[in-house]
Amino acid sequence: AQSVTQPDIHITVSEGASLELRCNYSYGATPYLFWYVQSPGQGLQLLLKYFSGDTLVQGIKGFEAEFKRSQSSFNLRKPSVHWSDAAEYFCAVGALTGAQKLVFGQGTRLTINP
Amino acid sequence: DADVTQTPRNRITKTGKRIMLECSQTKGHDRMYWYRQDPGLGLRLIYYSFDVKDINKGEISDGYSVSRQAQAKFSLSLESAIPNQTALYFCATSEGQHYEQYFGPGTRLTVT
Repeated sequence: AQSVTQPDIHITVSEGASLELRCNYSYGATPYLFWYVQSPGQGLQLLLKYFSGDTLVQGIKGFEAEFKRSQSSFNLRKPSVHWSDAAEYFCAVGALTGAQKLVFGQGTRLTINP
Repeated sequence: DADVTQTPRNRITKTGKRIMLECSQTKGHDRMYWYRQDPGLGLRLIYYSFDVKDINKGEISDGYSVSRQAQAKFSLSLESAIPNQTALYFCATSEGQHYEQYFGPGTRLTVT
């Protein structure tokens, strides 16, 4: 069964600084990987996804993520954060076979300092 | 209008009461899911349905039941609510072989 770990529960960065949120997964084959964002009081919105091909994927709102098979990681990055990026971020992994369910990480809460 | 809607958005109920959370979607997706979110635990899958005749338990189905009334409607019931079912509940949909799930706005449930 697949699993996801987001090592950082809470991260604080200054507005304009760069951001990297970590995600490590466990799965025996090539996974489907996702990053979702949850703004306060809102549902989850898909930021980006990786299925195959180019390991650097671009998403919405200026985010990107890189799939590194050797490190079982799918870290989310943004070169310059904006105050509106304050939210909770979830990494998720899906299996290629079986019930095609998603397994979510515990989430990372991002705070932006002005 | 939102593609995935959930009602109610907030609910406070007492221990032992039966409660139903409803989810409707206009995306035309065949797959629907119910999750609960607890601080520090992320989202955990309660039940999922691949079509009207297909219902499957997720990792935390005890104490919950579901009904897929139509392709567009998927309801979650708590037969006898208990305080540790206090959580934020999300409905999600996806289409066939596509993995992306689209989430509703959530229902905040408090059991006193």
